[in-house]
Amino acid sequence: NAGVTQTPKFRVLKTGQSMTLLCAQDMNHEYMYWYRQDPGMGLRLIHYSVGEGTTAKGEVPDGYNVSRLKKQNFLLGLESAAPSQTSVYFCATLPGTEFYEQYFGPGTRLTVT
Amino acid sequence: GQQVMQIPQYQHVQEGEDFTTYCNSSTTLSNIQWYKQRPGGHPVFLIQLVKSGEVKKQKRLTFQFGEAKKNSSLHITATQTTDVGTYFCAGRPSGTYKYIFGTGTRLKVLA
Repeated sequence: NAGVTQTPKFRVLKTGQSMTLLCAQDMNHEYMYWYRQDPGMGLRLIHYSVGEGTTAKGEVPDGYNVSRLKKQNFLLGLESAAPSQTSVYFCATLPGTEFYEQYFGPGTRLTVT
Repeated sequence: GQQVMQIPQYQHVQEGEDFTTYCNSSTTLSNIQWYKQRPGGHPVFLIQLVKSGEVKKQKRLTFQFGEAKKNSSLHITATQTTDVGTYFCAGRPSGTYKYIFGTGTRLKVLA
């Protein structure tokens, strides 16, 4: 039982390159979230999903796309990376009903040069 | 847009002193959660508050949810060096499935 895993752990991109971050969970949770955390800042919601096949925009969705084709996976894509997207990205899951804690993955540290 | 403000941004205390961080939401919340994050780590769940005026305690930590469900506080009594980290609140606006995080309060405890 791995909980929430994120792939990769670290990545360096050049401006304009693309990449996909994978969040995988084995807890059968319905809700999944992508956050970014900049140095000394709180977490800001990028996109989220309330079930397989659904996605919705969070606070800072521009420059990112997501997909939830399988319940256990939530992918975050950067089509054309920019230095402003340098950040630590966290994935979190919720069982799907109200009032549960969010389970966080270990994070992906992304640098865009 | 919906915002959750958190103060103070930083707090340095001597070991044994008390510590409080406050969150204030621009909208009514269904519930609010509190997390602790150590440097280089991910947020770790501490507690959730749901009811108006709710107060919960975990050993030296006391959590409160305001009557209007728009503000919350975390109070630590007699801080220890193990309390070091950044404390975040995360509120879920009524009628939504998303959480808005506060900016966090970074606590340093001087031995």
